[in-house]
Amino acid sequence: EVQLVESGGGLVQPGGSLRLSCAASGFTFSSYDMHWVRQATGKGLEWVSAIGTAGDTYYPGSVKGRFTISRENAKNSLYLQMNSLRAGDTAVYYCARAGLTVMGAFDIWGQGTMVTVSS
Amino acid sequence: DIQMTQSPSTLSASVGDRVTITCRASQSISSWLAWYQQKPGKAPKLLIYKASSLESGVPSRFSGSGSGTEFTLTISSLQPDDFATYYCQQYNSPSWAFGQGTKVEIK
Repeated sequence: EVQLVESGGGLVQPGGSLRLSCAASGFTFSSYDMHWVRQATGKGLEWVSAIGTAGDTYYPGSVKGRFTISRENAKNSLYLQMNSLRAGDTAVYYCARAGLTVMGAFDIWGQGTMVTVSS
Repeated sequence: DIQMTQSPSTLSASVGDRVTITCRASQSISSWLAWYQQKPGKAPKLLIYKASSLESGVPSRFSGSGSGTEFTLTISSLQPDDFATYYCQQYNSPSWAFGQGTKVEIK
């Protein structure tokens, strides 16, 4: 079964750091671009970061310089290192696969992991 | 950055209704547009990619159209399972952005 499973969420103080993980299974992880998307409670979806198969990375202005996406193909794992966290980063964080047969749309999503930034 | 604007934000409809949601991009994205359905507490589900291509397993009552800056998602006959929030997304790499969402409610 094709699956993504996030972990690593939790409660962190403002200014703190957290590292999220996403374990992939059921497909050739190294062949796919991967993304992180977040959703604050009751709000819409926000794209957070992307990493290509060659390790190229992309971020929106809201997290650039604070978040780092990485991948470890040997472990079929995706990561998101989040530093200098703010209250506005509080959200459910999803990892998502950019599908090959769907021209790069996000065809597989994890169940999400909750990150709460609060003192 | 490319901005995506959906309308309406909320839509009240009855089972059997034809429903149309509009998504506008702040600049041309060709056909690099996807539509997702999200139910409370669940991850989004891909419905449409490349503006008009139906994802495998998605009912044929869902359809997408448009190109450039204006796009639509149509549900031809709303079913009870379709009450959810719908998001458009532009994926004209290396830029990705979602619309603010359209909640389809029971009338």
